[in-house]
Amino acid sequence: EAQVTQNPRYLITVTGKKLTVTCSQNMNHEYMSWYRQDPGLGLRQIYYSMNVEVTDKGDVPEGYKVSRKEKRNFPLILESPSPNQTSLYFCASRSRRDSFSDEQFFGPGTRLTVL
Amino acid sequence: DQQVKQNSPSLSVQEGRISILNCDYTNSMFDYFLWYKKYPAEGPTFLISISSIKDKNEDGRFTVFLNKSAKHLSLHIVPSQPGDSAVYFCAASARASGGYQKVTFGIGTKLQVIP
Repeated sequence: EAQVTQNPRYLITVTGKKLTVTCSQNMNHEYMSWYRQDPGLGLRQIYYSMNVEVTDKGDVPEGYKVSRKEKRNFPLILESPSPNQTSLYFCASRSRRDSFSDEQFFGPGTRLTVL
Repeated sequence: DQQVKQNSPSLSVQEGRISILNCDYTNSMFDYFLWYKKYPAEGPTFLISISSIKDKNEDGRFTVFLNKSAKHLSLHIVPSQPGDSAVYFCAASARASGGYQKVTFGIGTKLQVIP
């Protein structure tokens, strides 16, 4: 089954304790992204990757890191989480195409609470 | 600066009637528009899209209309069903650096279809 998986689904942590949210896709997609969803702000892109070892900042990258060492995995790293990073996080992937089509496949989300 | 605006945070419609969800955008460089549907505790899923060179795209009960001069698009659901109750995100994409098609999301409209 084609899918994007994220782990963990729920996480409660404390300020300053480093954490990693994993993301994996089995569709051989080149493009992967991380988004956060907050009330009244919709989905905002944190980072994206166009291929292995190619990453770039999205709209709200502060406080986050990413890496893309393998095509299927795109972990999101919070080196020193703060309460304002409490949010719902989504990983997404899509295929690179010549057309303008931009359908993305989203993971189920990770609910993060930073105390 | 919100480039994609969904001004109605919620909408209630009777089962069998038409649901109309609206979206406005400000960036004239957007060349592809998409609608995603999101159920609670799940990631968004792609619903329907339209290229900027078209003014209408239809897929079963779902039709998206694009008015480029007004920078406005709408999603029509006919007839509405209780299973359509979800949050609907409007999204628009434009080509960014390196050929990446960057997607910007609205804040979402929560649709409730009343049986």
